[in-house]
Amino acid sequence: NAGVMQNPRHLVRRRGQEARLRCSPMKGHSHVYWYRQLPEEGLKFMVYLQKENIIDESGMPKERFSAEFPKEGPSILRIQQVVRGDSAAYFCASQGQLPFFGPGTRLTVL
Amino acid sequence: QQQVKQSPQSLIVQKGGISIINCAYENTAFDYFPWYQQFPGKGPALLIAIRPDVSEKKEGRFTISFNKSAKQFSLHIMDSQPGDSATYFCAASNQGGSEKLVFGKGTKLTVNP
Repeated sequence: NAGVMQNPRHLVRRRGQEARLRCSPMKGHSHVYWYRQLPEEGLKFMVYLQKENIIDESGMPKERFSAEFPKEGPSILRIQQVVRGDSAAYFCASQGQLPFFGPGTRLTVL
Repeated sequence: QQQVKQSPQSLIVQKGGISIINCAYENTAFDYFPWYQQFPGKGPALLIAIRPDVSEKKEGRFTISFNKSAKQFSLHIMDSQPGDSATYFCAASNQGGSEKLVFGKGTKLTVNP
């Protein structure tokens, strides 16, 4: 996991608030994946981005979720109007030849 | 539709024993099969991976066996240690690992001292 930064590591939000999760990939990597892990479940693909471009968002819920990876700065996963079902661990993976995962952000929605 | 099925859901092994976790996949286009180890509160870490041109790969105490015709692959942990206690995920992807990963649901391994 060394080199992939995610913050915050823990995030608590009340229903209806917005959650912003950040991911800085390993140096030199320009592609990131976001995955969601529900309790006692495996990771599920959400979105694949490269700088300034969404490559594959087939795993993103149709509403309330968005992601970006600007030319400068980290990739952002944004969840609007959070609901309790959004409580999960969100991982980003930095893609070089192979993916390397960050430590994750654990989102709790009260 | 679950494309990668993993079993068992949990596994308890005595120290020194062999831990075996199995996975089956459906998509014949998959060509990269990694195993990840995850400790509580941490991200998944790549443990070992195999491509379909070989039937077995060994790294230390960890071995992947791959059966292309049966579309199955398994992880064997020899001489299991308490420090191996973690959740293990199999996964699969296309394009040699450069595409999104499809994960199994995980196996929680407990190695008793």
